[in-house]
Amino acid sequence: KAGVTQTPRYLIKTRGQQVTLSCSPISGHRSVSWYQQTPGQGLQFLFEYFSETQRNKGNFPGRFSGRQFSNSRSEMNVSTLELGDSALYLCASSFLSGVSYEQYFGPGTRLTVT
Amino acid sequence: DAKTTQPNSMESNEEEPVHLPCNHSTISGTDYIHWYRQLPSQGPEYVIHGLTSNVNNRMASLAIAEDRKSSTLILHRATLRDAAVYYCILVANTGFQKLVFGTGTRLLVSP
Repeated sequence: KAGVTQTPRYLIKTRGQQVTLSCSPISGHRSVSWYQQTPGQGLQFLFEYFSETQRNKGNFPGRFSGRQFSNSRSEMNVSTLELGDSALYLCASSFLSGVSYEQYFGPGTRLTVT
Repeated sequence: DAKTTQPNSMESNEEEPVHLPCNHSTISGTDYIHWYRQLPSQGPEYVIHGLTSNVNNRMASLAIAEDRKSSTLILHRATLRDAAVYYCILVANTGFQKLVFGTGTRLLVSP
């Protein structure tokens, strides 16, 4: 089975621009979660999507948004980029949503904001 | 979110067992204990999880204290590939997927 894939792997953007990152979950997985990893704050939960609905959201500003499509693929969008948004963005999928289901992480998208 | 406490780093020799401790004194009765690890330049990887009983899988064993205020991840024979940051995470039984990562334990494995 193919793992979680994320595109693009690397991205350089300028302050004020917006960016869209894509995540394809493992086939059959219906839950997709997004995390941000920075050296200062570590790994932080952004949001979770299940059956095209956002079920849970972390403590991030409204500039961070996402969506999930009917095939479970997910995108996250960051508008009006700030220098502090430079980070590794990780997507994780699980078969269903809930505490008993392990999450499988993709390799991440490295976003650099200049 | 309930908090976990882990040592910042630990060292081991290859082929020796490794015991990675985690304290979670404020755990609630329905919190699950999950362990993930992150190898260099990779996304986190699921290791194991449990609620009350000890658990074993092909990667590791999870020993949970009787009062559930602490747990230990056991790698039976460390390999160089096990060098990673290990995260002990309490996951609330809310029906959602949300992992709250702490700073973890950096495991160094020497040949």
